[in-house]
Amino acid sequence: GAGVSQTPSNKVTEKGKYVELRCDPISGHTALYWYRQSLGQGPEFLIYFQGTGAADDSGLPNDRFFAVRPEGSVSTLKIQRTERGDSAVYLCASSWTGYNEQFFGPGTRLTVL
Amino acid sequence: SQQGEEDPQALSIQEGENATMNCSYKTSINNLQWYRQNSGRGLVHLILIRSNEREKHSGRLRVTLDTSKKSSSLLITASRAAGTASYFCATDAKEGGSEKLVFGKGTKLTVNP
Repeated sequence: GAGVSQTPSNKVTEKGKYVELRCDPISGHTALYWYRQSLGQGPEFLIYFQGTGAADDSGLPNDRFFAVRPEGSVSTLKIQRTERGDSAVYLCASSWTGYNEQFFGPGTRLTVL
Repeated sequence: SQQGEEDPQALSIQEGENATMNCSYKTSINNLQWYRQNSGRGLVHLILIRSNEREKHSGRLRVTLDTSKKSSSLLITASRAAGTASYFCATDAKEGGSEKLVFGKGTKLTVNP
């Protein structure tokens, strides 16, 4: 079946604007993860969902970041009042629950001008 | 914070040679995973090794895990030019019950044709 998909692939916005990033996980995967990757670094965890609920949101950097997964499938990462430091590639992954392989999408490159 | 540390940071070899990358981590784990990333976008899952396993093979990949030393190695045999990419190890944390992954900064592998 299809892999994890993310839209848009690129997003350019101005400082202070609101953005939404979307993730479509692999069908049937109960766990969904968001990571952020800056240039030259490994991905850093933001939040993960088991079904509809956020099981661990300890990686969200501040309250400008929020994510939802209302029906336990598609997830949206929302960033308010964007700052230049938010510029990064935002990666989504999904897996069967139970400490299994995480399969990543192609990422959304966010640029805040 | 990033738990894993890959070593070396960069590696350049000729096509047909073997490439070995190492990873060290800090806390007790359930699993350790290796990923490949081309061009700073999506990560491709290579192999998962569980904490009760010591060695695992998949095609030209061989992974070892030493939980007493909190370290792992990834061996790629007979490397191909298409294997030029960054390679990351990622670990979960046994304590805390979260399935999030913690990545290192990666090893940048260049395979020269």
